[in-house]
Amino acid sequence: NAGVMQNPRHLVRRRGQEARLRCSPMKGHSHVYWYRQLPEEGLKFMVYLQKENIIDESGMPKERFSAEFPKEGPSILRIQQVVRGDSAAYFCASSPRPGTGAGANVLTFGAGSRLTVL
Amino acid sequence: QKEVEQNSGPLSVPEGAIASLNCTYSDRGSQSFFWYRQYSGKSPELIMSIYSNGDKEDGRFTAQLNKASQYVSLLIRDSQPSDSATYLCAVNSNTDKLIFGTGTRLQVFP
Repeated sequence: NAGVMQNPRHLVRRRGQEARLRCSPMKGHSHVYWYRQLPEEGLKFMVYLQKENIIDESGMPKERFSAEFPKEGPSILRIQQVVRGDSAAYFCASSPRPGTGAGANVLTFGAGSRLTVL
Repeated sequence: QKEVEQNSGPLSVPEGAIASLNCTYSDRGSQSFFWYRQYSGKSPELIMSIYSNGDKEDGRFTAQLNKASQYVSLLIRDSQPSDSATYLCAVNSNTDKLIFGTGTRLQVFP
C-alpha cells in the first residue's frame, strides 16, 4: 500500500520559470494538504483540497501560486515566475477524513519536493 | 500571538532520561492534537495523537492534554540518541487544517 507520493523529489528552476509539484494521496484518502518549510523553520500551511474543491487556501500567497486536485490524477501545486525566496521544501499530506473524534485529521506526509531557485 | 507555540530548543538530555516537550495553542475550539517527529532532511512522521483531556501512553511516549490551559505535552521516557530530532506540535483549526508549531529540537547525548 503506497504512501503519499510526491514528485519530483528535487527540482531546480531559474528565476522566472514555472515549477509544478505533484502529489498522489494515500489510497482511500480524499483530503490533500500542502505545506512549505523553509530551512530551520516550521511547516507553514498553504492549502487544503478535496477532489475538485479548494477548502482552505488561506496560506497561499496571493500571486503566482495555485493548487488543484482534479477528479482524476494527482494534486498539483504550481508556482509561476519563481523567485529565490520560493526555494523551500514543499510537503504534501493526505488524510482520510476531517472533523472531530479519534482518527480525525491524521495527516500522512509525503517525502517532500525540494525546490531550488537559481 | 502565534497559533501554536513551542520552545525551539535545543533541549539536551542524557541517554536514559525523560525528555519533556511542551506546546501551547490559542484556538479554544481545537479538538485534535498531534506530535510529529522530523529528522533532518526528512518528512514529518506521526508519533502521537490525542483528542481528550488527560494522558495517552504508547510505548516510551506519553502525550498529555489540558484543554482548559490550552496546553499539550509529550514525554519521552528512556530517551535514546535515535530520538534526536525536531518534534512538531500540531493542532487542528476550525477548517480542519493542521497548524504546526515551529518545533523543538531534541538532542539526546550518550
